[in-house]
Amino acid sequence: QSVLTQPPSVSGAPGQRVTISCTGSSSNIGAGYDVHWYQQLPGTAPKLLIYGNSNRPSGVPDRFSGSKSGTSASLAITGLQAEDEADYYCQSYDSSLSGAGFGGGTKLTVL
Amino acid sequence: QVQLQESGPGLVKPSGTLSLTCAVSGGSISSSNWWSWVRQPPGKGLEWIGEIYHSGSTNYNPSLKSRVTISVDKSKNQFSLKLSSVTAADTAVYYCARVVIGGSGWYVDVWGKGTTVTVSS
Repeated sequence: QSVLTQPPSVSGAPGQRVTISCTGSSSNIGAGYDVHWYQQLPGTAPKLLIYGNSNRPSGVPDRFSGSKSGTSASLAITGLQAEDEADYYCQSYDSSLSGAGFGGGTKLTVL
Repeated sequence: QVQLQESGPGLVKPSGTLSLTCAVSGGSISSSNWWSWVRQPPGKGLEWIGEIYHSGSTNYNPSLKSRVTISVDKSKNQFSLKLSSVTAADTAVYYCARVVIGGSGWYVDVWGKGTTVTVSS
């Protein structure tokens, strides 16, 4: 059972916009802790995609954006490309763990 | 830039102890970062195991706390994971990671490539 809840899968055609939701609780997102997003391409380690709810590390295209409201957060990907096909994970600090809580991951399929 | 490399046995017997080491290169383990272990069972999501600061302070996932020990060796610029009494449920890819804790919360900015550990007799 993951600390944060994500949809198992989303899909979209090239060029379209997709969003991935991440729902938490009062011990993580709802407590005011920031949300971060990771992209995991097949067979590779996760890579930091968004930190601090909406900040992109150097090198991450501005097609990727994040937002947070209340006990939820969202990752939006615009101008979908084939190379975006991957698993996406949200993560936040959780006070009940005194550490990181992850979402179960969302598999993005580019049709 | 900082790179992390996991090493250790890829096969561990049930009831045995899993031992992994993470070598830090391109930076110092005595920086203002925490250092963490995260695992991913086959076909499943990510699970935080625990973390350590160069001072030796640690935090562990409560679900694993009774079986986990994370230690640091500043002289070798590396940190290690020991997980005891392993079962098949501990089979996973184990990642070491550099953690940033600050104004933007707790997140991993550098990941190792991961090492697969299988628990089987």
